[in-house]
Order: sequence, then structure tokens, then C-alpha cells
Amino acid sequence: NAGVTQTPKFQVLKTGQSMTLQCAQDMNHNSMYWYRQDPGMGLRLIYYSASEGTTDKGEVPNGYNVSRLNKREFSLRLESAAPSQTSVYFCASSEVRLAGTDTQYFGPGTRLTVL
Amino acid sequence: SQKIEQNSEALNIQEGKTATLTCNYTNYSPAYLQWYRQDPGRGPVFLLLIRENEKEKRKERLKVTFDTTLKQSLFHITASQPADSATYLCALASGSSNTGKLIFGQGTTLQVKP
Repeated sequence: NAGVTQTPKFQVLKTGQSMTLQCAQDMNHNSMYWYRQDPGMGLRLIYYSASEGTTDKGEVPNGYNVSRLNKREFSLRLESAAPSQTSVYFCASSEVRLAGTDTQYFGPGTRLTVL
Repeated sequence: SQKIEQNSEALNIQEGKTATLTCNYTNYSPAYLQWYRQDPGRGPVFLLLIRENEKEKRKERLKVTFDTTLKQSLFHITASQPADSATYLCALASGSSNTGKLIFGQGTTLQVKP
């Protein structure tokens, strides 16, 4: 089992460029999440998907869009990158059984720099 | 709004000592609390989950307490080793719906010196 995989590992963009971050999990989990992590800010939820075909906004959704392509894959798109989106992005998944008990499994992260 | 706070200052201790990390929360009454470990350049990894009625939970050299009156969890590493050096995050369920969403604290970095 690969767990949660993310591509790419590193990316440098110019302001205004677009890109899609890919995430896949092989644990048959229902829920998937996208976070960003900035120094001193901790992990902040961007979007999540409680099940295939559904997505919802998290704490910091502005400037991002997501697609839950199937149960395995959950992508994050930056339509017009801004320097404020320079961050480390983590994808995670969990098997939702009872609120609060579901541990999340994280990918290795994508380090994005927007110039 | 729900808020989780961890000591943002790094904790430096000597090898062999017990490290104690704190997680405080406000405007919240969680039934469960989780702790994760994050190494530099990697994603967080789940360590322990404690329920509100458990008060204390142990796993090898790790011990977690959960005081719902103080709205606080303490995370202890006994006989600490340099390999325990990492950032430790606490997390609580966000809301009551079964979406699996968690709110994370900002993490405390532990440095264990040989």
C-alpha cells in the first residue's frame, strides 16, 4: 500500500499561472482533505470531500477549486496563483466512522512557491 | 469560534528526561482528542487518540492526558531520545457531523539533545 500520494513534490509558479495538485489514496477511504501549512499557522483546511461526488469549503478556500474525481483521487487547482499561496500543501484521507475518532493519513506534501 | 492552542515556542530537553507538551482548547467540548507527529519535510503521522472519559492513555513511552474541566491535554514522552525530536500536533474533531474534519493546533517543536 502506498497510502496517500501527492504530485508534484515541488513546484515554482509565476503570479497568474495555474496548476493542479494531484492526490490519490489506496486505502478505500471515504473522506479526503486538502490543507495548507504555513509557519506559525499550523494546518489549515482548504477543502474537503466527505464522499465521492461531494466537496465542501474549509477554513481558507479562496483562490482554490477542487475535484473529487473518484473515490481514490482528489485534486486541488489554483486558477491564478498569487504569492500568498506560497505554502506547503498536504492531502489527507480518513475512513469516517464516528466524528472525532477518524485518524487522518497524510501525503508527503507539495512545496509550492509563487513568484 | 473553536480554537486550539499549543505552545509555539520550541521545547528543548536533555536526552533521558520527560518531555511534556500542552494543548489547550476553547469554545469546544470534544469527545475525542488526537495527537500527531510531524518530521521536517513530511506529512503528520497519527500517534494517539484519547476519549473524554479516558483521562489517560499510554502507548510505549508516550502518555496522553485529557482534562475536560481544564480544557487541556498533556502529551508526555518519557525517557526521551534524540529520535523523538519533531513537531507534535494536537487535533480535535470539527463539528459533530461525520465528515472526519479535524482542527489542528499549530504544533510544538521538541528538540531532544544528546
